[in-house]
Amino acid sequence: QKEVEQDPGPLSVPEGAIVSLNCTYSNSAFQYFMWYRQYSRKGPELLMYTYSSGNKEDGRFTAQVDKSSKYISLFIRDSQPSDSATYLCAMSPGNQFYFGTGTSLTVIP
Amino acid sequence: GAVVSQHPSRVICKSGTSVKIECRSLDFQATTMFWYRQFPKQSLMLMATSNEGSKATYEQGVEKDKFLINHASLTLSTLTVTSAHPEDSSFYICSARTGGLGNTIYFGEGSWLTVV
Repeated sequence: QKEVEQDPGPLSVPEGAIVSLNCTYSNSAFQYFMWYRQYSRKGPELLMYTYSSGNKEDGRFTAQVDKSSKYISLFIRDSQPSDSATYLCAMSPGNQFYFGTGTSLTVIP
Repeated sequence: GAVVSQHPSRVICKSGTSVKIECRSLDFQATTMFWYRQFPKQSLMLMATSNEGSKATYEQGVEKDKFLINHASLTLSTLTVTSAHPEDSSFYICSARTGGLGNTIYFGEGSWLTVV
């Protein structure tokens, strides 16, 4: 079983839709949770960072962590064509980092 | 946010030559840096973990004599692809770990290597 599971998609939504991206994990030692956005042929960009459980909001983005269910989510409100990218979840117990395979998102104008 | 600079962004080299890629953390000290390889439409593949002042730890299947990693300072790690072959052509990405309470990693912009 992989440490981190993420549905690769692809996911296609109309502009303005709410997007929900999710990852599950198996290691209860994970404490640090991150979401990255990667445009084609570019390095990943850190979008959201959460320590332990709870919600965090930044503009149109909301990250949720449910440690009891070992489940994290990223919500994108009012999605825009510029949000079209691959979204990677990542998590860490401290020293090492574990990544999901990435979900490819296309927002259609 | 924190900035990690990677250079060069694109490089073309002849088969048999060596290429060096630099990764710099510009506004924080990174005791740990990571090097990845990414094939088109695939996820990141961790190659090695680089700790400042010590030897890098390579993932299984990664040839340490081919991919030389040096982390001589808290802000600079280098990856040298030695005796490059066309199959080494790929997108290489570095990342740097912030550590402490804000334990996260920031990625460089990536380097496209083409071996001809």
